[in-house]
Amino acid sequence: DAGVTQSPTHLIKTRGQQVTLRCSPKSGHDTVSWYQQALGQGPQFIFQYYEEEERQRGNFPDRFSGHQFPNYSSELNVNALLLGDSALYLCASSKPGDGNTEAFFGQGTRLTVV
Amino acid sequence: AQKVTQAQTEISVVEKEDVTLDCVYETRDTTYYLFWYKQPPSGELVFLIRRNSFDEQNEISGRYSWNFQKSTSSFNFTITASQVVDSAVYFCGGSNSGYALNFGKGTSLLVTP
Repeated sequence: DAGVTQSPTHLIKTRGQQVTLRCSPKSGHDTVSWYQQALGQGPQFIFQYYEEEERQRGNFPDRFSGHQFPNYSSELNVNALLLGDSALYLCASSKPGDGNTEAFFGQGTRLTVV
Repeated sequence: AQKVTQAQTEISVVEKEDVTLDCVYETRDTTYYLFWYKQPPSGELVFLIRRNSFDEQNEISGRYSWNFQKSTSSFNFTITASQVVDSAVYFCGGSNSGYALNFGKGTSLLVTP
């Protein structure tokens, strides 16, 4: 049973560019959340998708947007990249009715903005 | 708003020592969840435990144990007889909405032989 998979694993982008990160949830999970983890910090909640809708959003600007597809996979898009967007981006999935308290995380995408 | 405090940034112990990681979760809500995750160098967060705010019963699972005291907002984690493989960054936190997880800044644990 595959866990949460994210692609790509590493990415280097130039300031001002746009980036798309992808996530496939664990089998049987329908809820996907995205987190940003800066170096030496804990993960910060970006947003959560359920039934293809954004259910809750953290304190991130509109440059951060997402999408969930009918197969429950998800994308995170970041526009007009800033140097401060360099971080590990983690995707988490959870089962229906489980809230988000027992979330399973992928290994993340390491984004470097130069 | 919620506040998660992990006062210990780094801990270093020798193998077989017991080690306790501290966590304080402050919130005005009466209903919430608490959790601990482990992050090894590979980067993937590994779920360890979840506890409801109304359940103050302590829990032991193998070499791991957790102590939740609502009166002091503390949710501490103890590893008994630590092993080198326990070396990782440990994050505690909570969730009030059931959706967003609020993480602390983490405690880096190094276990040396």
